[in-house]
Amino acid sequence: SAVISQKPSRDICQRGTSLTIQCQVDSQVTMMFWYRQQPGQSLTLIATANQGSEATYESGFVIDKFPISRPNLTFSTLTVSNMSPEDSSIYLCSVADRALGYTFGSGTRLTVV
Amino acid sequence: AQKITQTQPGMFVQEKEAVTLDCTYDTSDPSYGLFWYKQPSSGEMIFLIYQGSYDQQNATEGRYSLNFQKARKSANLVISASQLGDSAMYFCAMREGNGGATNKLIFGTGTLLAVQP
Repeated sequence: SAVISQKPSRDICQRGTSLTIQCQVDSQVTMMFWYRQQPGQSLTLIATANQGSEATYESGFVIDKFPISRPNLTFSTLTVSNMSPEDSSIYLCSVADRALGYTFGSGTRLTVV
Repeated sequence: AQKITQTQPGMFVQEKEAVTLDCTYDTSDPSYGLFWYKQPSSGEMIFLIYQGSYDQQNATEGRYSLNFQKARKSANLVISASQLGDSAMYFCAMREGNGGATNKLIFGTGTLLAVQP
């Protein structure tokens, strides 16, 4: 099964700043998915990232706030821009692995102060 | 639109007993997949079990089994012989389509399971 390295694992950021989260996969994958998990809540899909094209964003999420890069088939970044305390969440990347369903990165715990 | 519903915000179970976590779903796609994930306090998402919409038999993985009732659109997770380490949040999720790597997962709200000694 795919192995995902996600970093940073956690960060505390000042409001108004931006944080870029990286996910590296040990195999080539078509799509990478980015999720947000607000405190005590379920996972909500932010966007789907395909290599070589713009990410597809879910309702309620916009590119200016959550720009995504997908430069190749093993790597993607999600930036949380102009952060506010409401952005404090766990952010997870995920890839589809046919053998074991979907594999997730270990998550980035973001606190905005 | 697809939807996943978990009606149990929290559950208690005694160690060594079995527990059932409920999940219902709604989709108009005849081809879909259902997943259960465990999320301990560390935050990682651990895959437990998968059921395809065309699978004839209920999925089993060790102590985990999925009670799939297609007509009722339910996919309940059964954990047998509960262990203290089973205490975690459990999420039911659904993927529409036949398993291509481009299909996204939609999650339910989760059930927090507490196993008591």
